[in-house]
Amino acid sequence: RKEVEQDPGPFNVPEGATVAFNCTYSNSASQSFFWYRQDCRKEPKLLMSVYSSGNEDGRFTAQLNRASQYISLLIRDSKLSDSATYLCGFGNEKLTFGTGTRLTIIP
Amino acid sequence: DTAVSQTPKYLVTQMGNDKSIKCEQNLGHDTMYWYKQDSKKFLKIMFSYNNKELIINETVPNRFSPKSPDKAHLNLHINSLELGDSAVYFCASRITQGAWNSPLHFGNGTRLTVT
Repeated sequence: RKEVEQDPGPFNVPEGATVAFNCTYSNSASQSFFWYRQDCRKEPKLLMSVYSSGNEDGRFTAQLNRASQYISLLIRDSKLSDSATYLCGFGNEKLTFGTGTRLTIIP
Repeated sequence: DTAVSQTPKYLVTQMGNDKSIKCEQNLGHDTMYWYKQDSKKFLKIMFSYNNKELIINETVPNRFSPKSPDKAHLNLHINSLELGDSAVYFCASRITQGAWNSPLHFGNGTRLTVT
C-alpha cells in the first residue's frame, strides 16, 4: 500500500457547489494530519489541521477516520478563489504529503 | 516580516556545478526541513533537523548535504548537479518540543533549473 493516496483530479466544480475529497494513509502511528493549499508556483500554505473529532473553519470542514485511515476535506459554497491544489499531509517527525488534488471552480 | 525565507528564489546552473540554497526562519521553531517538489508536483521530504541535529535523512544522493549552523538556519549544498535535480526546493519549519502535532510553515521555494 502506498504511504498516501490522493485523487489527483482535476475536480471542475461550479461556483457555489460543495466538493469533497479524501486522502488515505498507511502509517497507523501518524499523530498529525493537515490539509494544505498550494497555488500555482507558490509554496504550500496551511489550510487547516485535522483533529480526531473533526473540525470546521468557515466553509471548510475536515474529518479524520482513524479506523479506515483517511482524512477528508469538504468545501461548501465554493468560491472562484478556492481554485488551487489541495495537499494532505500526515505523520509525526516526518510529514508525508499526497500528490495533491487539483480543484478548479468554474463561474 | 517573512517567517521562513529562502535564497535564492531562482537558480539556473549547468550540470556538474556545485550550488547552495539558504534558509532562515524567524519563528523560533526548533525543527527545519528540506522538501523537493518535482515537475509532477510530488512533495518529497529530504532532510530534517531538530535543534541542529539531523533526525531525518531520506534516500537522497550524498551529493546533497544539509547544514544547520543553528536552529534558525538550514542550508542545502548540492555537488555535481544533474539534470534530474531540477525541481523546486522548499524549506519548512515547525515547533515541536517533543510533540509532533504542529503544522509545517513553508518558505517560498527555490526553483532550481539545471541545464
